[in-house]
Amino acid sequence: GAGVSQTPSNKVTEKGKYVELRCDPISGHTALYWYRQSLGQGPEFLIYFQGTGAADDSGLPNDRFFAVRPEGSVSTLKIQRTERGDSAVYLCASSLSGAMNTEAFFGQGTRLTVV
Amino acid sequence: SQQGEEDPQALSIQEGENATMNCSYKTSINNLQWYRQNSGRGLVHLILIRSNEREKHSGRLRVTLDTSKKSSSLLITASRAADTASYFCATETGNQFYFGTGTSLTVIP
Repeated sequence: GAGVSQTPSNKVTEKGKYVELRCDPISGHTALYWYRQSLGQGPEFLIYFQGTGAADDSGLPNDRFFAVRPEGSVSTLKIQRTERGDSAVYLCASSLSGAMNTEAFFGQGTRLTVV
Repeated sequence: SQQGEEDPQALSIQEGENATMNCSYKTSINNLQWYRQNSGRGLVHLILIRSNEREKHSGRLRVTLDTSKKSSSLLITASRAADTASYFCATETGNQFYFGTGTSLTVIP
């Protein structure tokens, strides 16, 4: 596609529920990143994929968070037993190769609200 | 955790004035990038400066990088009301982009 697409744009869920957030990267981009941004803060790294594999998942806050990218394109961020503290904008980005000095393109984000 | 810190946190200027915001970081980097964000949603890439570069220009944007001081600055010249947004620096280290806390810029028409 023309840009990184994230769906849904907004998600409201009840505490304790399971949610899935989807990211469609730019076609041909092998690197994909997930970030989380709380109000008034900068984006916080969650996980980085190179192709199908998670090359770095050190930013995932706990085992309730999981992400997959089974075919090396679309990625899904999964959050189990959601908590109110999970409320944030979840941003996805992709880059051509993930190599040094390459630009990352961001989607518009999914605003998750846990009530 | 975030590596960068932008300064100031908020900046308000008149249209036509120049806006300068600074970014400091903690560790060695491959490059530093500046992004713009409107209304807390998607980030738009503005400019990338490599660790071996000291200054870079793009239109009304001028970025400097001082690796000895681990700092960068973004200058927006002849500001416009449409420049109102949050600006973030992001440092690339290994596989990750680390973002700062951002500068909220308001340009008053």
